[in-house]
Amino acid sequence: SQQGEEDPQALSIQEGENATMNCSYKTSINNLQWYRQNSGRGLVHLILIRSNEREKHSGRLRVTLDTSKKSSSLLITASRAADTASYFCATALGGSQGNLIFGKGTKLSVKP
Amino acid sequence: DTGVSQDPRHKITKRGQNVTFRCDPISEHNRLYWYRQTLGQGPEFLTYFQNEAQLEKSRLLSDRFSAERPKGSFSTLEIQRTEQGDSAMYLCASRNNSGANVLTFGAGSRLTVL
Repeated sequence: SQQGEEDPQALSIQEGENATMNCSYKTSINNLQWYRQNSGRGLVHLILIRSNEREKHSGRLRVTLDTSKKSSSLLITASRAADTASYFCATALGGSQGNLIFGKGTKLSVKP
Repeated sequence: DTGVSQDPRHKITKRGQNVTFRCDPISEHNRLYWYRQTLGQGPEFLTYFQNEAQLEKSRLLSDRFSAERPKGSFSTLEIQRTEQGDSAMYLCASRNNSGANVLTFGAGSRLTVL
């Protein structure tokens, strides 16, 4: 079963624009993570936000977490063609020792 | 250390054949995970090991699937009597036992069952 659900399923933007992806989850969490997957490749960890954090930045990435709404958003600023990939949120059942459960992902296409 | 390695990267087989995938995790990582991913979906958890012990198996892991990690280092995932529905990307990931549950993934093994 899917713990997280990303929205939108697909997003197409022009280079230089910002991209926002949302994730909703069902149960209480210890942390929430975002991963990126280029076509046909494995997933790469981008950023982790803990349940007691509301916002976190890493380079052009900004993640927010609203535990009252059980939702998170990933903002990629000044997008580049190389950002074209699928983005997944992941949460762990049972705290930090639980297995990561992934959503279905948002497929981002950045056109040059 | 070159990260998590998976072999083979691609496997095409006929229905009914057995296939085996290998995963070499990052050497200091004692937890190893297998996930399955079908087209347009997120990775689905199959099983995980802490050292050589298989601690959890998903209901997705039917009796035709078996995973081992005999010496607590590399792992194998075998699928017996493959079916067309087994066609997917099989992803391996590893992490340390301590700290945050951040996974390092391999590039995956893509299985096509004809």
